[in-house]
Amino acid sequence: DAGVIQSPRHEVTEMGQEVTLRCKPISGHDYLFWYRQTMMRGLELLIYFNNNVPIDDSGMPEDRFSAKMPNASFSTLKIQPSEPRDSAVYFCASRSGTAKNIQYFGAGTRLSVL
Amino acid sequence: AQSVTQPDIHITVSEGASLELRCNYSYGATPYLFWYVQSPGQGLQLLLKYFSGDTLVQGIKGFEAEFKRSQSSFNLRKPSVHWSDAAEYFCAVGPGLTGANNLFFGTGTRLTVIP
Repeated sequence: DAGVIQSPRHEVTEMGQEVTLRCKPISGHDYLFWYRQTMMRGLELLIYFNNNVPIDDSGMPEDRFSAKMPNASFSTLKIQPSEPRDSAVYFCASRSGTAKNIQYFGAGTRLSVL
Repeated sequence: AQSVTQPDIHITVSEGASLELRCNYSYGATPYLFWYVQSPGQGLQLLLKYFSGDTLVQGIKGFEAEFKRSQSSFNLRKPSVHWSDAAEYFCAVGPGLTGANNLFFGTGTRLTVIP
């Protein structure tokens, strides 16, 4: 398996623009997680899905953030409008429902909002 | 409340020296415990995990960790560090048998290895 695949790896945008981050989980995994990593706050869980349904989005910082999972092999995290404080590395992770909470991480998307 | 504390932000060791990274957790139920490693520009890779049973667990790359319930600790060790071990290390705790599915991560310890 190719592992969790995220795109793009790097994104540079200007304040106010819409940003869409993409994630393809490991095939057969039924949980998908979005995390944000910053120097100040470390690794934070934003939202997670089970069987394509959002289960806990309490970590989503503002209404500017939204996430979708239209099918078992694809998820997006959208920021609209983006702000400089959104600059961070965004990770996607997935796990199997029987895997005792072992999460597999993608390589991340480094977002810079100017 | 669930939390993970990694008291050492940055550790520097010489190549070939032993290593211990500290992790303390607070969790209301029987936890699952994990150590992940993050190399520069990469995602997090699972080093090892503890679910139950033997409190000394072995992982990849020669790492091991010991669960001490009385101290709420899960310290990571390696007898002889290699230059390629330079990375950031994260301890994480998650629910054991029931509960939410998310992991709680510590703030990480950055390891520098000097020749």
